[in-house]
Amino acid sequence: EAGVTQFPSHSVIEKGQTVTLRCDPISGHDNLYWYRRVMGKEIKFLLHFVKESKQDESGMPNNRFLAERTGGTYSTLKVQPAELEDSGVYFCASSQDKNSFTGELFFGEGSRLTVL
Amino acid sequence: QKEVEQDPGPLSVPEGAIVSLNCTYSNSAFQYFMWYRQYSRKGPELLMYTYSSGNKEDGRFTAQVDKSSKYISLFIRDSQPSDSATYLCAMSRRSNDYKLSFGAGTTVTVRA
Repeated sequence: EAGVTQFPSHSVIEKGQTVTLRCDPISGHDNLYWYRRVMGKEIKFLLHFVKESKQDESGMPNNRFLAERTGGTYSTLKVQPAELEDSGVYFCASSQDKNSFTGELFFGEGSRLTVL
Repeated sequence: QKEVEQDPGPLSVPEGAIVSLNCTYSNSAFQYFMWYRQYSRKGPELLMYTYSSGNKEDGRFTAQVDKSSKYISLFIRDSQPSDSATYLCAMSRRSNDYKLSFGAGTTVTVRA
């Protein structure tokens, strides 16, 4: 079974440009999450989709970030315009909707974003 | 104050040593406690999960939670070079709530 896949693995852009990150969750996982780790800091929650609906976007830093999950399958996270402080590793994760909590989020390998 | 504080490390231990990792937290609403392991250039993967206070053992790994002290630990016995990774504690307030709060991670190197 394929895991969570993310693309691109690394993106280098200049301040003011736009970048779109893509995440393909594990097939059958309705829950999709975006997390971010900036240099030297902890991994922080950005938002949560259940199928195509945004369940919680309380972690989104500002309106330069736009996440979508059309059709409830893959998701994209767009940063426009990118700022220097947006540099970091963006992780996508998915989980099954189980009755019992297992603590298990399945993470992708991350998309490293460098803004120059 | 951060919600979750984790000993920064890095830790370097000889093969066979016991590794002790710790996190403290400030929010008493946390009920579910996890340890994730992250190898270089990979995503975190769940290692262990515990609910509320107590101990849980899985092979060479033991997780402890002390809610009264807001303190959690992970112990790795008979450490192996393959245990070299970054270990992240994570916490959640409710069941089925995967809006996790992470510690910054401790990087562990086990020397052969």
